[in-house]
Amino acid sequence: GAGVSQSPSNKVTEKGKDVELRCDPISGHTALYWYRQSLGQGLEFLIYFQGNSAPDKSGLPSDRFSAERTGGSVSTLTIQRTQQEDSAVYLCASSPTGVTYGYTFGSGTRLTVV
Amino acid sequence: GESVGLHLPTLSVQEGDNSIINCAYSNSASDYFIWYKQESGKGPQFIIDIRSNMDKRQGQRVTVLLNKTVKHLSLQIAATQPGDSAVYFCAENPPDDYKLSFGAGTTVTVRA
Repeated sequence: GAGVSQSPSNKVTEKGKDVELRCDPISGHTALYWYRQSLGQGLEFLIYFQGNSAPDKSGLPSDRFSAERTGGSVSTLTIQRTQQEDSAVYLCASSPTGVTYGYTFGSGTRLTVV
Repeated sequence: GESVGLHLPTLSVQEGDNSIINCAYSNSASDYFIWYKQESGKGPQFIIDIRSNMDKRQGQRVTVLLNKTVKHLSLQIAATQPGDSAVYFCAENPPDDYKLSFGAGTTVTVRA
């Protein structure tokens, strides 16, 4: 596609439920990143994919968070047993090969846990 | 124009004035830097980048300055317009790292 697409744009879920957030990167981009942005805060790195592999998952806040990428394209971030502190905007970004020329971000998924 | 010597979370600017947004980065080994603009409800958008072998780079109405001695980055916006109202983030990338690390962000509000 022309840009990075994220869905849903907004998600309200009850505490304890599982959620899946989807990211469709720019076609041909091998690097894909997930960041979290809490209200009024900066961007917190979560995970990086190169192709289908995730060399570093150290940014994931807890074992309730997981992510996968299939076919070197679409990625899904899953949060199990959601907590109120998980409420944030989850941003996905992609780039051709890594950081070299910066990333292109999607518009994010705003997650609200009630 | 208005400027801030230290990083402040907010900056209010009169339309037509020049703006200067400052950022202190953390890693002296970082060799690539980017400024992003984030409008309400949108993802961050690339504005301009600079590599560590340069001190200054100009774009359309924007200039980025890099002072490696004090690990300081600034973004200058000429003739600030209402459409420049947004949150501005600086980001750094150390060598051999695959990700960008972002600063806290500065909210710029343009007064008519």
